Amino acid sequence: AQTVTQSQPEMSVQEAETVTLSCTYDTSESNYYLFWYKQPPSRQMILVIRQEAYKQQNATENRFSVNFQKAAKSFSLKISDSQLGDTAMYFCAFEDGTYKYIFGTGTRLKVLA
Amino acid sequence: GAGVSQTPSNKVTEKGKYVELRCDPISGHTALYWYRQSLGQGPEFLIYFQGTGAADDSGLPNDRFFAVRPEGSVSTLKIQRTERGDSAVYLCASSLTLAGVGGELFFGEGSRLTVL
Repeated sequence: AQTVTQSQPEMSVQEAETVTLSCTYDTSESNYYLFWYKQPPSRQMILVIRQEAYKQQNATENRFSVNFQKAAKSFSLKISDSQLGDTAMYFCAFEDGTYKYIFGTGTRLKVLA
Repeated sequence: GAGVSQTPSNKVTEKGKYVELRCDPISGHTALYWYRQSLGQGPEFLIYFQGTGAADDSGLPNDRFFAVRPEGSVSTLKIQRTERGDSAVYLCASSLTLAGVGGELFFGEGSRLTVL
């Protein structure tokens, strides 16, 4: 069964600094999709960034980028120039092309002023 | 509205009661998901609909849980004989993309269920 592991329950970062959130996953599939979702206190989850496993190039979305290491089954999220609005829970998720999205346990990120 | 709408936002009930949680997906989204999120945990898959049919209900914890989507739009998650362990936030998500292409899930704000 596919699993997603986030080993950092909580992290903090100073405003304007850079932070990296870790995620590892386990699968026997060769093609799949990886995601980072943000869940602010309002509870509504929002997609931050998406990566297709067959693409070697790391995805980027403005201040957010990923380091995708397929062989190591690692998918970390880097947030540059952290802002107070980035404070939230961040969930790593995996989907192997069969509709079922598997989520990690999350990392609570706090951006400090 | 433009987003996924879930009602009620909060529901407090007594052990043994029946509850219904409603999800109104984004118009035109054919795929609809229910997830359960317990405190401090990530969302846990419950059931997935493609159109009107439940394509996969393997995540439903037991036969007290049931979900329907009769017209391929609004879905209702039904929980019979509620137990304290059912307390959680129930999240609904919808997607335009057909199964198998890793599309973006659009989430509602969830329904927080508290069973006393």
